[in-house]
Amino acid sequence: QVQMVESGGGLVKPGGSLRLSCAASGFTFSDYYMSWIRQAPGKGLEWVSYISSSGTTMYYADSVKGRFTISRDNAKNSLYLQMNSLRAEDTAVYYCARRGFGANWLDPWGQGTLVTVSS
Amino acid sequence: SYVLTQPPSVSVAPGQTARMTCGGNNIGSQSVHWYQQKPGQAPVLVVYNDSDRPSGIPERFSGSNSGNTATLTISRVEAGDEADYYCQVWDSSSDHPVFGGGTKLTVL
Repeated sequence: QVQMVESGGGLVKPGGSLRLSCAASGFTFSDYYMSWIRQAPGKGLEWVSYISSSGTTMYYADSVKGRFTISRDNAKNSLYLQMNSLRAEDTAVYYCARRGFGANWLDPWGQGTLVTVSS
Repeated sequence: SYVLTQPPSVSVAPGQTARMTCGGNNIGSQSVHWYQQKPGQAPVLVVYNDSDRPSGIPERFSGSNSGNTATLTISRVEAGDEADYYCQVWDSSSDHPVFGGGTKLTVL
C-alpha cells in the first residue's frame, strides 16, 4: 500500500542543522509532487515546502525561505528536508505528504517526525 | 495570502449531525479539501474537491462549497469521529496549499 515514513527528527540547539528524510513506497514516486507540512505543539497545520516530480521546481513558505532546502532522489524513492539556522519556532512535527496526481490535495501523509529546537 | 477561517470547536451528541464550516473570500470558486486528525496521528484526507470521498471514508462524511463558505458534514456522528478537522485550498497566487486553523469536534 501507499506509505511514507519520515525519519531524522530530534533535539537540536538554536542555530543548528538537521536533515529529515521521507521514504516512500507503494507508488511510482517519480510521478508525484511531494510536500513537507509541519505542526507546532498544540497548533494547526503549516505548509513548509513542496517539490515537483522531477525535482526541478521548489517552493517554500516565507518562514523557512533561505534556511530550508527540499530535495528528492527518485532513484531511492526518497524526499528530504535540509534545515539550517534552526529557531525555537521551528519546533514541530514534520510530515511529508504526496500531492494528488494532477490535483492539489495531499494524500497520504506520513506519521511525522518531531523536531525540537532548544538549548 | 489566502485566508481560511474555521470555528475553533463544534460539539454534537452521538447520532446527530455535525457541520463544520470553512470561510474564505469567494471560496466557492475553489476546490476545498478536508482532513481529519485524531490525537497523536497524522492527518487523513476525508473529502476532496468539495464533496468527493476517498475510498474507505464512510458515506457519513460529505462536503459542500458555495459562496464564501465550505462545509464538512458528518451524519450519524460516532465517538470515533472526535478529532480535529482542517480545510485546505490551493492558493493559486502563491502556488502553495493553505490550511484553515482547524475545528475540534467534540462528541458529547
